[in-house]
Amino acid sequence: QITLKESGPTLVKPTQTLTLTCTFSGFSLSTTGVSVGWIRQPPGKALEWLALISWDDDKRYSPSLKSRLTITKDTSKNQVVLTMTNMDPVDTATYYCAHLFGEFPFDYWGQGTLVTVSS
Amino acid sequence: DIQMTQSPSTLSASVGDRVTITCRASQSISSWLAWYQQKPGKAPKLLIYKASSLESGVPSRFSGSGSGTEFTLTISSLQPDDFASYYCQQYNSYWTFGQGTKVEIK
Repeated sequence: QITLKESGPTLVKPTQTLTLTCTFSGFSLSTTGVSVGWIRQPPGKALEWLALISWDDDKRYSPSLKSRLTITKDTSKNQVVLTMTNMDPVDTATYYCAHLFGEFPFDYWGQGTLVTVSS
Repeated sequence: DIQMTQSPSTLSASVGDRVTITCRASQSISSWLAWYQQKPGKAPKLLIYKASSLESGVPSRFSGSGSGTEFTLTISSLQPDDFASYYCQQYNSYWTFGQGTKVEIK
């Protein structure tokens, strides 16, 4: 059974750096073809893909946010970490992590964590 | 970047109605398209992948079609549990979502 869960601060101040952790079970990020991605959703708005890391440590970033994002993995801990620098109120959103395998889309998602950016 | 445009943004329908949602890609994505259902406060749920393949456990009243740049999600007979928001997503080049379609009770 695949599960993912996001964790991190619920409130950050403008200009601060956000660090989110995705802790997962039921699969290994050392298995060929497996990836974990981050997606966010501002309140009442659409989903936006942010970043993805694969079993071979290949990393992909949204072109519009690439300069602010870093994604890493700790295979031994079954965790993926996303950092986003220079947070702004427009970055207020629910942040999800999700599992992806091979040529399939995101099939298993975490419950999401709401991050509010406010002074 | 590949842009995804869904229509309509909102759809009012009754239980038993046949519902169709359209998604258009800004360039060809072959069949690399997925559809998700999302209910308030919940994570998206995968319904359809590869444009027309039904995810395991998803009711057969959901179907997808299309290729290239034009895609549709059809619900053959709308059920009470189907009132939700629906998103298309391309995964041909990175990952991009449409802006969503909210299916409301008429």
